[in-house]
Amino acid sequence: QVQLQESGPGVVKPSETLSLTCTVSGGAMSSYYWTWIRQPPGKGLEWIGYSYYSGNTNYNPSLKSRVTISVDTSKNQFSLKVSSVTAADTAVYYCARDKSAGGSHIDMWGQGTMVTVSS
Amino acid sequence: QSALTQPPSASGSPGQSVTISCTGTSSDVGGYNYVSWYQHHPGKAPKLMIYEVSKRPSGVPDRFSGSKSGNTASLTVSGLQAEDEADYYCSSYAGSNNPVFGTGTKVTVL
Repeated sequence: QVQLQESGPGVVKPSETLSLTCTVSGGAMSSYYWTWIRQPPGKGLEWIGYSYYSGNTNYNPSLKSRVTISVDTSKNQFSLKVSSVTAADTAVYYCARDKSAGGSHIDMWGQGTMVTVSS
Repeated sequence: QSALTQPPSASGSPGQSVTISCTGTSSDVGGYNYVSWYQHHPGKAPKLMIYEVSKRPSGVPDRFSGSKSGNTASLTVSGLQAEDEADYYCSSYAGSNNPVFGTGTKVTVL
């Protein structure tokens, strides 16, 4: 059974870079789109972007200038970096596995990790 | 990309049915047969319930069904059970390999 687990700092200072890692256990990373999604407090889900296992990436246009997603198949991990964070980036961040390139088949999710942007 | 519109809440008694709508535009819901539905119990990992409008992943009860008409997709939960109480989110492909999520619906089992 594939499991995903997010890890990283729970608090990030404004203007700094948010960095999270997702560890994939129980399965290979090949042929999937490794995805990050977030949910601000009291709001709905927002797709951040993905990295295909081979390294091709695609990002939400509203976040594209600040986001980097990368995959390390040797460690069975993928990561998210969001630069120049503000309070608006405070959210629960989920890592997930997508069987398609367009977010139509996100079949595995992590439990999520809360990240607060605060000085 | 604007979020898809869902009703904030829906409810039903055990055994009854509840239907949740998800309204978008011709650029997302209406333009593609790539609508998904996710069940989310707070504090837990969201779970895929429906993909490609009406397909159920292995292990999802057939009490859950999906459909689409024009720019609106729907999720119906028949034979409501206590464990169905959760938040439900739709999502749709919106072009350029980007999806858009719905605003979410809290389902309460009375």
